Amino acid sequence: DAKTTQPNSMESNEEEPVHLPCNHSTISGTDYIHWYRQLPSQGPEYVIHGLTSNVNNRMASLAIAEDRKSSTLILHRATLRDAAVYYCIPGTGNQFYFGTGTSLTVIP
Amino acid sequence: KAGVTQTPRYLIKTRGQQVTLSCSPISGHRSVSWYQQTPGQGLQFLFEYFSETQRNKGNFPGRFSGRQFSNSRSEMNVSTLELGDSALYLCASSLLSTGLAGYNEQFFGPGTRLTVL
Repeated sequence: DAKTTQPNSMESNEEEPVHLPCNHSTISGTDYIHWYRQLPSQGPEYVIHGLTSNVNNRMASLAIAEDRKSSTLILHRATLRDAAVYYCIPGTGNQFYFGTGTSLTVIP
Repeated sequence: KAGVTQTPRYLIKTRGQQVTLSCSPISGHRSVSWYQQTPGQGLQFLFEYFSETQRNKGNFPGRFSGRQFSNSRSEMNVSTLELGDSALYLCASSLLSTGLAGYNEQFFGPGTRLTVL
């Protein structure tokens, strides 16, 4: 299972973009890159995933480095509801190895 | 459609007792995974069940066990509780199981908060 390195915490002003980085240098060729987030007092929820190409969905964008050793989750306009712990999880299957994640604070 | 439900939401037990937690997956989902979340260790994978069979197991002692029923509902059991078992126990359901082709999103329940005194 690939190890990940994420900043422990980040801050963003409301309505500004946020870039959350993740290093996963030991990722294997078939691993997806999942991003989940956990809001206070809730279970984790899916944000986005990718394999090789950059991805967009209604919640966020995912930029994946060409060598796949790192990725960046982009929230285009942070809202107060985006305050959560964000986890990047390389892997296949349902056995997720969560790291420590990045705790995002959104400042009004 | 209804999400993943876990019962009970809160539980208080004493050392040495045993506990059973329940998870009902999203309708149609056949895979259920369990995780333990503690402040010190974060989120750790316990095991995954698919079609009533354990598919994967994390690095936890044998006191932690689980099962899955024919309707995909799952239970996990912890015997001889220790203080360190106090945690939030989360289950996640998904359509597919590990090893099957295609992307498989996991849907997490709200968790059961277990306190061991």
